[in-house]
Amino acid sequence: QKEVEQNSGPLSVPEGAIASLNCTYSDRVSQSFFWYRQYSGKSPELIMSIYSNGDKEDGRFTAQLNKASQYVSLLIRDSQPSDSATYLCAVYSGGGADGLTFGKGTHLIIQP
Amino acid sequence: KAGVTQTPRYLIKTRGQQVTLSCSPISGHRSVSWYQQTPGQGLQFLFEYFSETQRNKGNFPGRFSGRQFSNSRSEMNVSTLELGDSALYLCASSLDGQGNSPLHFGNGTRLTVT
Repeated sequence: QKEVEQNSGPLSVPEGAIASLNCTYSDRVSQSFFWYRQYSGKSPELIMSIYSNGDKEDGRFTAQLNKASQYVSLLIRDSQPSDSATYLCAVYSGGGADGLTFGKGTHLIIQP
Repeated sequence: KAGVTQTPRYLIKTRGQQVTLSCSPISGHRSVSWYQQTPGQGLQFLFEYFSETQRNKGNFPGRFSGRQFSNSRSEMNVSTLELGDSALYLCASSLDGQGNSPLHFGNGTRLTVT
């Protein structure tokens, strides 16, 4: 079974600092990677998608992918209290019984 | 553009009953995926439908089934409900399927089995 691993946290970061969220995956042929944010009691919302090695930036968010190390990360610059949420890493490896596989998420707390 | 719509938002059922959940995808999206979310297991994949065909299926028992209609709307059915089926059921749509385009989630249906 394909696995996506995340540190459950909580990860506590001061307001204005950089939050760094990490994710590792087990299937070497994984091809699509996504970060979702989920507030308590709400459904996941897409933050970033990344498909090739390197960095992808969107506003305060940067996704980094290293397929050789089977590692994907999300950096949040100038962290705000509104960034406090659970961040879910999702990996697609060609479907089958796992579909788009989600990690269990990292709980991020931004301290004012 | 309207988002993914799931109905109903909340359901309370008794063990042994069956339930049908409904999902309307974003206009133009042809793929609909269903997930079960629980505090202990996180998001677990149930199945994906694309153009009325089941494309992928997760490791859930046959009590869990679904279908997709020609307008891309989808339904999920759970028969002979068990206490362990209590969860948040999330529907997500994507333009071209899970591997090609991101999923966009609905607000979910909270199912409680007593």
